[in-house]
Amino acid sequence: EADIYQTPRYLVIGTGKKITLECSQTMGHDKMYWYQQDPGMELHLIHYSYGVNSTEKGDLSSESTVSRIRTEHFPLTLESARPSHTSQYLCASSDRAKNIQYFGAGTRLSVL
Amino acid sequence: AQTVTQSQPEMSVQEAETVTLSCTYDTSESDYYLFWYKQPPSRQMILVIRQEAYKQQNATENRFSVNFQKAAKSFSLKISDSQLGDAAMYFCAYRRGNTGTASKLTFGTGTRLQVTL
Repeated sequence: EADIYQTPRYLVIGTGKKITLECSQTMGHDKMYWYQQDPGMELHLIHYSYGVNSTEKGDLSSESTVSRIRTEHFPLTLESARPSHTSQYLCASSDRAKNIQYFGAGTRLSVL
Repeated sequence: AQTVTQSQPEMSVQEAETVTLSCTYDTSESDYYLFWYKQPPSRQMILVIRQEAYKQQNATENRFSVNFQKAAKSFSLKISDSQLGDAAMYFCAYRRGNTGTASKLTFGTGTRLQVTL
């Protein structure tokens, strides 16, 4: 079982609120990722990071932002949540040797 | 751009039987990796099996095996002796070979597998 943790697991919040989704891994992986997944659909990469102080936008445009101040921590922030942000957000990290991605359990976000 | 296609939105298999999930992909790269991930309901996505494109031998992991047809760009997953715990969403994924950049995955739309008694 991969040691990558996401909190909260579920979040229901009102429009206009600022939220931060937490992701931490204890495996020392340099690379970390955020994916967005609508119910029953494929995953779309929205952010990734090569390492500390490195962040890049993914293939799917997102209004969220990320930061990578510590190797183990890769939080995602929405400054002003909207109903269109309702989705599941999955965090992942990958090892340098085999470049296999390990996923967290996800945060299911509902914006009312 | 690379694309991954899973043409079976849902599949059903009886316990102890064998089922094959299909996946095709499109790429102009010669160095790449293919993956099958399993996502149980409300649980963590886990890696089922991984295949390097340069290896002709099909990968196997216990009851899980793949049929990798590089020329046809096909990468199917066979689950033998299906168990109730195999019920999940299965995603096929593609990644370019090691280029020094982050290892971005491109996912298919998934196949929901039901296992019946």
